Amino acid sequence: SQTIHQWPATLVQPVGSPLSLECTVEGTSNPNLYWYRQAAGRGLQLLFYSVGIGQISSEVPQNLSASRPQDRQFILSSKKLLLSDSGFYLCARRDYGGEQYFGPGTRLTVT
Amino acid sequence: DAKTTQPTSMDCAEGRAANLPCNHSTISGNEYVYWYRQIHSQGPQYIIHGLKNNETNEMASLIITEDRKSSTLILPHATLRDTAVYYCIVRVANQAGTALIFGKGTTLSVSS
Repeated sequence: SQTIHQWPATLVQPVGSPLSLECTVEGTSNPNLYWYRQAAGRGLQLLFYSVGIGQISSEVPQNLSASRPQDRQFILSSKKLLLSDSGFYLCARRDYGGEQYFGPGTRLTVT
Repeated sequence: DAKTTQPTSMDCAEGRAANLPCNHSTISGNEYVYWYRQIHSQGPQYIIHGLKNNETNEMASLIITEDRKSSTLILPHATLRDTAVYYCIVRVANQAGTALIFGKGTTLSVSS
């Protein structure tokens, strides 16, 4: 199974509030995991990727952070949200053939 | 990643085959062809990929020309739910830390 779970599905948060988005995946152990953000009508922006527990690589310096406390759990966080953090957040896993499977996404609106 | 060229839009009647072309004339020998789609308001969905042989799965077939400079994604019996933007991507398989870069893709509209 390549099922990827993300929650919440939608979120409205005020500027300056904290954020925690969770992603859990099913399937083989030690998957490569990704956090992407997609602004309306735009392409995918890679935020973080992880090749294993506790291993996080950041692609874009910003007020977001990621953690991987368990093999199949990937968390995206922020201490203080900005208006520019609004977007569609997608968790993905990469399979052995290089293909990536995406979760259903979390639509975040910062007001 | 090699550059790809796709038509901006295509129409298809429900129940007919949808053939979506992609040109990738600068593809390298170790680069695969991947197809994804994104239905409105949903996350991207992986469809199929291949290196040089034709591939088929439960969703679609992928036909890659012998010189590998172009490919065609075939949805054999399109349904209304196949209306989406389809992206052709060419990249090396073992790129753990690099993002998928979607171009403009082809907007496929399936109508009854």
